[in-house]
Amino acid sequence: QVQLQESGPGLVKPSETLSLTCSVSGGSLRTYYWSWIRHPPGKKMEWLGYIYYSGSTTYNPAHRSRVTMSADLSKNQISLRLTSLTAADTAVYYCARAGAGYDGGWYVSYFDVWGHGTTVTVSS
Amino acid sequence: EIVLTQSPGILSLSPGDRATLSCKASEILRNIYLAWYQQKPGQAPRLLIYGTSTRATDIPDRFSGSGSGTDFTLTISSLEPEDFAVYYCQQYFGSPRTFGQGTKVEIK
Repeated sequence: QVQLQESGPGLVKPSETLSLTCSVSGGSLRTYYWSWIRHPPGKKMEWLGYIYYSGSTTYNPAHRSRVTMSADLSKNQISLRLTSLTAADTAVYYCARAGAGYDGGWYVSYFDVWGHGTTVTVSS
Repeated sequence: EIVLTQSPGILSLSPGDRATLSCKASEILRNIYLAWYQQKPGQAPRLLIYGTSTRATDIPDRFSGSGSGTDFTLTISSLEPEDFAVYYCQQYFGSPRTFGQGTKVEIK
């Protein structure tokens, strides 16, 4: 079965850039959408955006200016880059897979596979 | 942005009890666009229900989802020890995708 594994630095300094990787095993990136979702302590989970395996992206407008997602088919990995970090970016970061549905038009559906998450703390 | 509000925040029940979890949306959702997830400490969230009422693969039939418009419910008909966890609803109707704040089902 498909498994997702996030990796990256556990601690980053304010104003720096966060880079995370999600490695996909047991399946291909193809035909799916891949998301980054984060869960700050004491707050709601927050969707950061999608990347389709072809490279097209949709970002949460709240973070569009700071977020970049990419996909590497050869490595079966997706990546997240988040710039200008502040303490508010401290969270558990998850990658998750979503399929596509059709209901008169195509839409990106629910998250059917998740990674275990990686904790990121922003502190000097 | 569609805001999802879950209630109660904490549900204290015993094994064998029925659990009813609520998720209210700030605007009407087309009813196929709501999902429920279960999360246990240190584990990945697990998809339980999608399309408001369709159980995901290998999810026991004691889990059921219902609702329409702005009001949605996850029901666990008879709690098993492994069901004590946090449950989240999520909408995939509007962008950005949003989640509820979660309901913790704890052992009484």
